[in-house]
Amino acid sequence: KNEVEQSPQNLTAQEGEFITINCSYSVGISALHWLQQHPGGGIVSLFMLSSGKKKHGRLIATINIQEKHSSLHITASHPRDSAVYICAVKSTGNQFYFGTGTSLTVIP
Amino acid sequence: DGGITQSPKYLFRKEGQNVTLSCEQNLNHDAMYWYRQDPGQGLRLIYYSQIVNDFQKGDIAEGYSVSREKKESFPLTVTSAQKNPTAFYLCASRHLGQVSTGELFFGEGSRLTVL
Repeated sequence: KNEVEQSPQNLTAQEGEFITINCSYSVGISALHWLQQHPGGGIVSLFMLSSGKKKHGRLIATINIQEKHSSLHITASHPRDSAVYICAVKSTGNQFYFGTGTSLTVIP
Repeated sequence: DGGITQSPKYLFRKEGQNVTLSCEQNLNHDAMYWYRQDPGQGLRLIYYSQIVNDFQKGDIAEGYSVSREKKESFPLTVTSAQKNPTAFYLCASRHLGQVSTGELFFGEGSRLTVL
């Protein structure tokens, strides 16, 4: 059983649509990360959060510690948002666990 | 600009050969990590190091070796003992300590193909 589960695995959206990617985890955590991986392979960190909600441009990340669940929302999606989005958690034991990723394609 | 540099980006190897992947960071980060990424799987930890001249095995260390002779550098050698080395390899680093946010920074990755 994976410590971090993401859904959906694949997502196709029309440009302008509101997108939600979900992440559930089973370990105690000190922080949760949302990462973006572009086709070239490099990974960038979008958010690191341990409670509540963070917003950066059209991206919003929320976390519910009690329910062990986080969501990444993209408003007014654009083809340049097409990428793999990875949820990762840093456990209270200082280990990182990664989800398998959600592959997003935004069609013009 | 500060960041993590991995090289080479693409590497082809014949069976039985050792190859070394380079990872250099100028972020003054204490900890460095090597992950392997395979299709349909989350990143898996190969080795990590929290201090110069010290490193620990991760979940899938067999067939790999590392060194940490300098704070900035954490090369990974994929040995001929690694049974299925074709994969995408990612290097990461972060600060340690109470003042640290703990955020992981990643390199661009190295894709290794065994012919």
